[in-house]
Amino acid sequence: GDSVTQTEGLVTLTKGLPVMLNCTYQTTYSPFLFWYVQHLNEAPKLLLKSSTDNKRTEHQGFYATLHKSSSSFHLQKSSVQLSDSALYFCALSPGGYKVVFGSGTRLLVSP
Amino acid sequence: NSKVIQTPRYLVKGQGQKAKMRCIPEKGHPVVFWYQQNKNNEFKFLINFQNQEVLQQIDMTEKRFSAECPSNSPCSLEIQSSEAGDSALYLCASSRQGGAETLYFGSGTRLTVL
Repeated sequence: GDSVTQTEGLVTLTKGLPVMLNCTYQTTYSPFLFWYVQHLNEAPKLLLKSSTDNKRTEHQGFYATLHKSSSSFHLQKSSVQLSDSALYFCALSPGGYKVVFGSGTRLLVSP
Repeated sequence: NSKVIQTPRYLVKGQGQKAKMRCIPEKGHPVVFWYQQNKNNEFKFLINFQNQEVLQQIDMTEKRFSAECPSNSPCSLEIQSSEAGDSALYLCASSRQGGAETLYFGSGTRLTVL
């Protein structure tokens, strides 16, 4: 079946350092991949999305490239800020009305 | 601020009681999803609608939940007989079309079953 794997449950970093949050997926369809961010006590909201192979997508300093050959859509940022502390969810839509979420990665940025 | 409105923000029920929560999707969004987010922050899909019709639902939802999205009224999700394991954040999301479209989430209803 369709699934999303996020290997890190918690990532802790000092501000100014780069970060990469891992996301791999399984599907037999041609998927849309998403990154959603959920700040404390807030609604999850879209950060990035892509369905184009090997094309970098960027928003608010974050970027990700969908690699269909490795079924990956890792989220990166070159310099994290305190305000980036949040939960990050990778999600997959294989088509139709189905959306599958990964287990999430909590990013904690310290001063 | 989220344009998907969920009420109530908090809900406390005893075991066996009904628990009902509502969601007003973003205007112009005919597709509505309900997810349960547990204490480990994991999302569990419950049910989705297009306009008033159920598209997909999981077995648990079919057996213990009652959900609807009537026209010109808020969508609702109701647990018929609450269990301790139902304690979670219930998130409603809407979108313009299917899964390839962005989901717009509400802030959720946090249910505590005592």
